[in-house]
Amino acid sequence: DIQMTQSPSSLSASLGDRVTITCRASQNIDINLNWFQQKPGRAPKLLIHAASSLQSGVPSRFSGSGSGTDFTLTISSLQPEDFATYYCQQNYRSWTFGQGTKVEIK
Amino acid sequence: EEKLEESGGDLVQPGGSLRLSCVGSGFTFSRHWISWVRQAPGKGLEWFANINEDGSAKNYVDAVRGRFTISRDNAKNSLYLQMNSLTVEDTAVYYCSGRIFDIWGQGTMVTVSS
Repeated sequence: DIQMTQSPSSLSASLGDRVTITCRASQNIDINLNWFQQKPGRAPKLLIHAASSLQSGVPSRFSGSGSGTDFTLTISSLQPEDFATYYCQQNYRSWTFGQGTKVEIK
Repeated sequence: EEKLEESGGDLVQPGGSLRLSCVGSGFTFSRHWISWVRQAPGKGLEWFANINEDGSAKNYVDAVRGRFTISRDNAKNSLYLQMNSLTVEDTAVYYCSGRIFDIWGQGTMVTVSS
């Protein structure tokens, strides 16, 4: 099974900050990686697919990069609506989520 | 509007059974893989089953294989999850998600408790 490890598990940031979340796969997954945002009591929302393709309707302050085993989600300037939990997911072999990264207000 | 809507969540005793449903609208349901994803209280997301467009291919994680069965009826734009031999570890919000995981339902709560 492919394991996905996110870091950090949580972070505190201020409005306007640049935020970076990393996701590491236990083996090569090429670019078969999605990023999701989830707010409390809500379903996840797809932000990025194929490692770096921005989903339609998602603000351009969100970006994704990486391939192979190491991936990054970046929020260029944190907005109030971005405080949430973020998950990576591999879809190279079966489908596995990372454990999540909670972005909180500093 | 493209949407999925789950139903069927309930309180059930350990060892019991439950059937969840998920209805799609606003998109061509029959052309896409559909998954079930669950989230235990205060925990992360877990993909555990999916089914291909015509129902001929199904995948499960080990934790549910042999206990849960995924199926679909494209004539009704519907996805189903038959859950048997439920344990307390199956307590979670259950979501259906389709296409490239860009369409999600609102979730339905399954509580397994005596």
